[in-house]
Amino acid sequence: EADIYQTPRYLVIGTGKKITLECSQTMGHDKMYWYQQDPGMELHLIHYSYGVNSTEKGDLSSESTVSRIRTEHFPLTLESARPSHTSQYLCASSVASLLNEQFFGPGTRLTVL
Amino acid sequence: GENVEQHPSTLSVQEGDSAVIKCTYSDSASNYFPWYKQELGKRPQLIIDIRSNVGEKKDQRIAVTLNKTAKHFSLHITETQPEDSAVYFCAVKGTGGSYIPTFGRGTSLIVHP
Repeated sequence: EADIYQTPRYLVIGTGKKITLECSQTMGHDKMYWYQQDPGMELHLIHYSYGVNSTEKGDLSSESTVSRIRTEHFPLTLESARPSHTSQYLCASSVASLLNEQFFGPGTRLTVL
Repeated sequence: GENVEQHPSTLSVQEGDSAVIKCTYSDSASNYFPWYKQELGKRPQLIIDIRSNVGEKKDQRIAVTLNKTAKHFSLHITETQPEDSAVYFCAVKGTGGSYIPTFGRGTSLIVHP
């Protein structure tokens, strides 16, 4: 079934650790996005990609990085996690059209101690 | 850039009542207006959308109206049920040919049985 997958779903780590949040989609979409969201609150765009080898920073200043080596894969890396990174991270994708919606993954709930 | 205002931030209704959530936007070139529903602990999912060449769209108990002149659009839910309780986000897309949607801050709808 076409979907967006995120792993891990929950992660608790210590300050200073390097982590990678995985996002894969089997929807054949070119566009992919990462959002940071505290539960039930605003969606903040932190990174996006229009296709392979294309990555851009979003509106929210972030200490994370992303890569897009394959169309279906868009991982997010935090080089040194801090308690301020505690949040939910949502991956999304969309087709190459201005008139279509985004599809969201189930999210990764990150807690940095 | 685009500016989207969403009101109210919280809406509490009795089961069976109607609920209306309104969003205003700033860029008249925007042409796609989706609404997402995010239940507690779940991912945001599209519930209805409207394109700029249409004034109203309905899907069972849910409708969206668009006033391009006034630059606002609204989500209408009739005969609310407890399972309608969620956070609702409006979004605006298409400004300047961008694929990046601008989201409202969300409305927490609580339907009391």
